[in-house]
Parts: sequence; C-alpha cells; structure tokens
Amino acid sequence: QVQLVQSGAEVKKPGSSVKVSCKTSGGTFSSYTLSWVRQAPGQGLEWVGRIIPILDIPNYAQNFQGRVTITADKSTSTAYMVLSSLRYEDTAVYYCARALEIGSSWFMDYWGQGTLVTVSS
Amino acid sequence: SYVLTQPPSVSVAPGKTARITCEGNNIGGKSVHWYQQKPRQAPVLVIYDGGDRPSGIPERFSGSKYGYTATLTISRVEAGDEADYSCQVWDSPTEHFVFGTGTKVTVL
Repeated sequence: QVQLVQSGAEVKKPGSSVKVSCKTSGGTFSSYTLSWVRQAPGQGLEWVGRIIPILDIPNYAQNFQGRVTITADKSTSTAYMVLSSLRYEDTAVYYCARALEIGSSWFMDYWGQGTLVTVSS
Repeated sequence: SYVLTQPPSVSVAPGKTARITCEGNNIGGKSVHWYQQKPRQAPVLVIYDGGDRPSGIPERFSGSKYGYTATLTISRVEAGDEADYSCQVWDSPTEHFVFGTGTKVTVL
C-alpha cells in the first residue's frame, strides 16, 4: 500500500521561504512521479508542480515559476517543495500526490495528508 | 492557459441521481479524472480515464463525456456523498495538470 506522509504545519513571515517534505512508502519511489497541489481556504485545487525522481526533472505551473523548487531524494524516498518569497495569498494546505500516466494523460491516485502553510506577519 | 469550468453547487435528495459537469475547450480529446474531497480531508480519486473506478469506489460513481462537457454521475446518492468534487485533465502542450473550479454537492 502506497503511503505519503507530509511534514507538519508551518507559520512563516511574508518574504520568507517554506520547505515541505513528503515521505513515501510502498511501491518503487524511483518509478513515481510526485506532484504538489495546493488549496487556499475556501478555494479549489491548484497544481504547483511535479518531479520525476528517476530523471530528476521537475516542471512547474506557470503561476509558480521562479518561486518554487521541487526536489526528490531517492535514498530516503522523500520529495520536497520549497516555496520562496512567500505572500499572504500563499496561505494554503499543500498536498503531495503520486501521479500515474495512462495513455497520454496523468492523474493522481495517492495523496498525502496535507500541510497547512500560514503566511502571517 | 486551459480552463475547466464546473457549477459551484449541486443539490440532490437521497436516493436520487447527481450529475456534476465539467466544461473545457476540446475536452473530448482529453482524458478526464474526478476527485472527491470531504471537509478537512485530502482529495480521493473516484474516476480516472473518463470512466474507470479505483478499487473501493462504489459502482454508483460513473463518468461520461459528450461534446465539450464531461460529467460525473452519482446514482442512488447517500448522505456520505456530500463533498466537493473536482475534475482534472492533463494539458499536453504545456505538460500541466489542470483542475476544474470544483462543485459542492449537498445532499438534502
């Protein structure tokens, strides 16, 4: 059974950075693609970016280009997301999720429990 | 950027059928996936590749597509189906995941 366990809640000041981790178990980490999705209070789901650990290649949503870095540590089966230059509107729950490819499409079948990031002065 | 539009809310009586739509340009050429999210919980995949159900998802959940609209249908609705539902596609040109705006399903 695949499990994704995320790090705990964070409170950060505007302009600072936050690092969220996502430790996976079950399955083969190198064969995963891991995505990050966020959800602001009362809002819908927004894709942040993803990484293919076996290739170490990330790609990011346009809204986050230049502010987000996603990495993967194959030795610990853990993915990380760093979001920098934090703004009040970055306050949200951040989820990691395993992404699978089917045909020419991708979807997310296993999700972490979410990490609340609060940006507050 | 690619946009998926859903109605903000759908209300349905227990035992009836709920239909949640997802509209997008040329959605007919894309595979649509659906997620259920209950308050303070992570999303759960309920339909992938248009109409397939992951293990553990009841047969009451089904997916379809016609023209510019994909639809998630929940038959014989139960109180436990009350949740937010979001559609999602993969936008190949940009290699981005795109989520719909989300629909809150209320069981009356």
